[in-house]
Amino acid sequence: KAGVTQTPRYLIKTRGQQVTLSCSPISGHRSVSWYQQTPGQGLQFLFEYFSETQRNKGNFPGRFSGRQFSNSRSEMNVSTLELGDSALYLCASSYVRGRNEQFFGPGTRLTVL
Amino acid sequence: AQTVTQSQPEMSVQEAETVTLSCTYDTSESNYYLFWYKQPPSRQMILVIRQEAYKQQNATENRFSVNFQKAAKSFSLKISDSQLGDTAMYFCAFMKHSERQGAQKLVFGQGTRLTINP
Repeated sequence: KAGVTQTPRYLIKTRGQQVTLSCSPISGHRSVSWYQQTPGQGLQFLFEYFSETQRNKGNFPGRFSGRQFSNSRSEMNVSTLELGDSALYLCASSYVRGRNEQFFGPGTRLTVL
Repeated sequence: AQTVTQSQPEMSVQEAETVTLSCTYDTSESNYYLFWYKQPPSRQMILVIRQEAYKQQNATENRFSVNFQKAAKSFSLKISDSQLGDTAMYFCAFMKHSERQGAQKLVFGQGTRLTINP
């Protein structure tokens, strides 16, 4: 079974621009979570989607948004980019029931100049 | 709110040695899950081991085992017969239990950078 895939793997943007990141979960997984990883703040939860609905949200400004499609694929969008948004963005998928394990993708490295 | 603390930013051991990574957490929840994740230099986060809080028996996965002390809110990871491929960042993570479908958020510690030397 294919793992979690994320595209693109690397992005370079300038301040003020917006960006969209994509995540395809493991087949059969309906929950998708997003995390931001930075050297200073570590791994922080952004939001979680299940059945196209945002079920949980972390403490990030409204510039960070996301959505989930009917095939469980998810996108996250960051508008009006700031230098501090430079990070590794990780997506994780999990099965609806069972062992509560989240399986991570390779991440998208976003650099804001 | 839950917090997870890993007090060892870096550790280094020789190949074949045993190493223990520490993790403590704070929560008022009675039912939850604890995880150790490994992030090698390639950056793909991999689940190493998982523990349910209601289980007294410590989880074991091949060379990896945990020492779960619920009263002390401690969850350490022991790696036996360490190998060069174990070199990675290790993150301890907490997830509270929920009856609803879908995933709860993972709360991560700051990580421990483990280096296995030949």
